[in-house]
Amino acid sequence: QVQLQESGPGLVKPSETLSLTCTVSGGSINSYYWSWIRQPPGKGLEWIGYIYYRGRTDYNPSLKSRVTISVDTSKSQFSLKLTSVSAADTAVYYCARLRSIAPGGPFIEYWGQGTLVTVSS
Amino acid sequence: DIQMTQSPSSLSASVGDRVTITCRASQYINNYLNWYQQKPGKAPKLLIYAASSLQSGVPSRFSGSGSGTDFTLTISSLQPEDFATYYCQQSYSTPWTFGQGTKVEIK
Repeated sequence: QVQLQESGPGLVKPSETLSLTCTVSGGSINSYYWSWIRQPPGKGLEWIGYIYYRGRTDYNPSLKSRVTISVDTSKSQFSLKLTSVSAADTAVYYCARLRSIAPGGPFIEYWGQGTLVTVSS
Repeated sequence: DIQMTQSPSSLSASVGDRVTITCRASQYINNYLNWYQQKPGKAPKLLIYAASSLQSGVPSRFSGSGSGTDFTLTISSLQPEDFATYYCQQSYSTPWTFGQGTKVEIK
């Protein structure tokens, strides 16, 4: 059974950089797309971006200037960096594994448990 | 961006009821529509992908239909464990977007 676990600071100061890592276990990181999604407290879900294990990325334009997603296949990890954070970036951040089965499009097959990141001084 | 609109935003239902949630896309998305269930404090869980394909392990009382811009999630006989918030999500084009959610509560 594939498991994903987010790790990183739960508190980040405004204007600083949010950094999270997702560790994948129970399956290979190769041959899949991996994604970050966030959910502000009491609100809906927002897709942040994804990365292919070979490094190709796609980001939400609303965050693109501040986001970097990277992958380290040797460690079975992928990471999220979000720069110049503000209170609006306070959310539960989920990492996830994507899958695609034709004729449909990609879907989020596995989710991490999520980690709350609060932006506050 | 493709806007996803769910209705209703919330509903109250009893165990055994048939429940239908609709999701409308602001433009054509073929069948690139997925449904997730989220319980409080938990990560979302995939129920339906490609509009109508049931994810492995999900009870058969859940079903999805639709194509193009209009989609439906149906729970044929609501069970106590089904009280949760449900989200649709399009993966036709990035940025992938979610509906605002439908909260299913106990009547």
